[in-house]
Amino acid sequence: QVVVTQEPSFSVSPGGTVTLTCALNSGSVSSSYYPSWYQQTPGQPPRTLIYSTNTRSSRVPDRFSGSILGNKAALTITGAQADDESDYYCALFLENDTVLFGGGTKLTV
Amino acid sequence: QVRLQESGPGLVKPSETLSLTCTVSGASIRRSSYFWAWIRQPPGKGLEWIGTFFHIGESRYNPSLKSRVTISADTSVNQISLNLTSVTAADTAVYFCAMVRGVPFDYWGQGTLVSVSS
Repeated sequence: QVVVTQEPSFSVSPGGTVTLTCALNSGSVSSSYYPSWYQQTPGQPPRTLIYSTNTRSSRVPDRFSGSILGNKAALTITGAQADDESDYYCALFLENDTVLFGGGTKLTV
Repeated sequence: QVRLQESGPGLVKPSETLSLTCTVSGASIRRSSYFWAWIRQPPGKGLEWIGTFFHIGESRYNPSLKSRVTISADTSVNQISLNLTSVTAADTAVYFCAMVRGVPFDYWGQGTLVSVSS
């Protein structure tokens, strides 16, 4: 069974930089999986931050960036702010247009 | 302004069929470049993709749910529907509909909580 793994939790100091990752148990994550990242606060629907590895969605601050680091997709927040405290999910687009979400990372600022 | 609004029963009995509707405003579901997805989130847990409707007769479903799921469209009322058969308590979740418009899941509805219980 294919599984997407994220760090369950992470902590960053205000103003600091944090990198969250997204791994695939069956192999390396590459741009061909079109990794995307979503931010969710309690009681709200998710919001798309990054898609196609590193394209920022509209109205997303440039302190959020996406990349491939080694064999994982990565979301980096530079200059973290208090309102970045959220759950973050990655999603990979697999063959046959199916989608697999990671388990999410709870970020504390 | 695109808006998606999920609606349907908040309580479904085990073994019955969960049926939800997503009413879309500000965009036509007929447009061939727009796709429509259902995603769910059990209480306190992560997101799970259920399926994506591309066009009439063309949908993709989560393999783990494929035998129980149907996503369809009613263009006359600009709605996307989700049917999930033979539900169990494990299907209790907030169900979101979302739009794919170049950007995966560009717009999301607020979600609707469906509980499965007798």
